[in-house]
Amino acid sequence: GAVVSQHPSRVICKSGTSVKIECRSLDFQATTMFWYRQFPKQSLMLMATSNEGSKATYEQGVEKDKFLINHASLTLSTLTVTSAHPEDSSFYICSAPGGFEGTDTQYFGPGTRLTVL
Amino acid sequence: DAKTTQPNSMESNEEEPVHLPCNHSTISGTDYIHWYRQLPSQGPEYVIHGLTSNVNNRMASLAIAEDRKSSTLILHRATLRDAAVYYCILRDPLLFSGGSNYKLTFGKGTLLTVNP
Repeated sequence: GAVVSQHPSRVICKSGTSVKIECRSLDFQATTMFWYRQFPKQSLMLMATSNEGSKATYEQGVEKDKFLINHASLTLSTLTVTSAHPEDSSFYICSAPGGFEGTDTQYFGPGTRLTVL
Repeated sequence: DAKTTQPNSMESNEEEPVHLPCNHSTISGTDYIHWYRQLPSQGPEYVIHGLTSNVNNRMASLAIAEDRKSSTLILHRATLRDAAVYYCILRDPLLFSGGSNYKLTFGKGTLLTVNP
């Protein structure tokens, strides 16, 4: 099946700093990628849709100025958490549709564990 | 997307079959039934999907009720590696245009515990 990678897998940062998370589709192109956030013991919540060559679409309640998304190429989307605070500590997961099994399936990255001290 | 209802948790023994139910009484005629699972501390992975007919793949089988108001994910022989949260999600590929039609809305899913 198709592979989506994320980097870093784990990051610890101080409050007030910015953190960039990369999401790459390794063996297929993705004009659209999705960013999710998952708090402990909870389900995934969609944050935003990343669109190659255009602005991201954010879900209601997600601050676009805090969670900057850049989809610079057909295989790379980045999520930057700006001025991170402890409440931003979470598991961030990206996904991309398509790949070898058809466009009606999603392929997820392994996730990035963010801890803000 | 229409809503699904799944049990919060289920338990199984290793090497026994597991039947994970999902109710979706408000499903529309064009909704596909998707199953994903999430192993601990990992991103979700695709398991299977179907529309009306039962489906089989190397991971699982999907049995869809004739009225499509419910479905069952079947793991034929559970292993310890199958311990995960299983999500049943309805998707209408015709509802949106462009890339946004692939976004998934996750419910709470079913936490499957597999006992050795």
